[in-house]
Amino acid sequence: AQTVTQSQPEMSVQEAETVTLSCTYDTSESDYYLFWYKQPPSRQMILVIRQEAYKQQNATENRFSVNFQKAAKSFSLKISDSQLGDAAMYFCAYRSWGETSGSRLTFGEGTQLTVNP
Amino acid sequence: KAGVTQTPRYLIKTRGQQVTLSCSPISGHRSVSWYQQTPGQGLQFLFEYFSETQRNKGNFPGRFSGRQFSNSRSEMNVSTLELGDSALYLCASSPAGGSQETQYFGPGTRLLVL
Repeated sequence: AQTVTQSQPEMSVQEAETVTLSCTYDTSESDYYLFWYKQPPSRQMILVIRQEAYKQQNATENRFSVNFQKAAKSFSLKISDSQLGDAAMYFCAYRSWGETSGSRLTFGEGTQLTVNP
Repeated sequence: KAGVTQTPRYLIKTRGQQVTLSCSPISGHRSVSWYQQTPGQGLQFLFEYFSETQRNKGNFPGRFSGRQFSNSRSEMNVSTLELGDSALYLCASSPAGGSQETQYFGPGTRLLVL
């Protein structure tokens, strides 16, 4: 079974600064998908960024980028120019590839990000 | 397009009762997945429905069940409620449940069992 680990329960960053959230995972599969989701106080889960394991290029979405190290099974999220609205719980998630795997996501424990003005 | 909707948003029940939660996916989405979120266990996959059939199931007891209707709306039912069932229940939808698809989450139903 796959596992996802986020070793930082809490992180803080100053507004406009850069912060990196860590995530490691364990799998024996060669093809899979990785995601970062954000859950603000409203509890609505919002997709931040996704990475396909077969792509060597790191995904980027505006101020959000990932550092995907497949051999090390590491998938960190970098938030640049942090804004107050970035404050939320961030979850790293894994999904297997393939028709039979369906939509099952395996989540990490989450990292609570605080943005200080 | 309207997002994923869940009803009710909040629910209080007592031990031993049963509860039914509803999820309406984004229009055109046929796959609905359910997750339980608790402080102790985090986010855990319950099950996935696609075209009215359960396609995937997580490691939960048989007290947790679900179904999907022909319009893709889904319900989950928890019978004989226990205190530990208190949680935020999230549903997510995607077009066909393919592993390459993005899942879109609803706002959740917060269940409190007394």
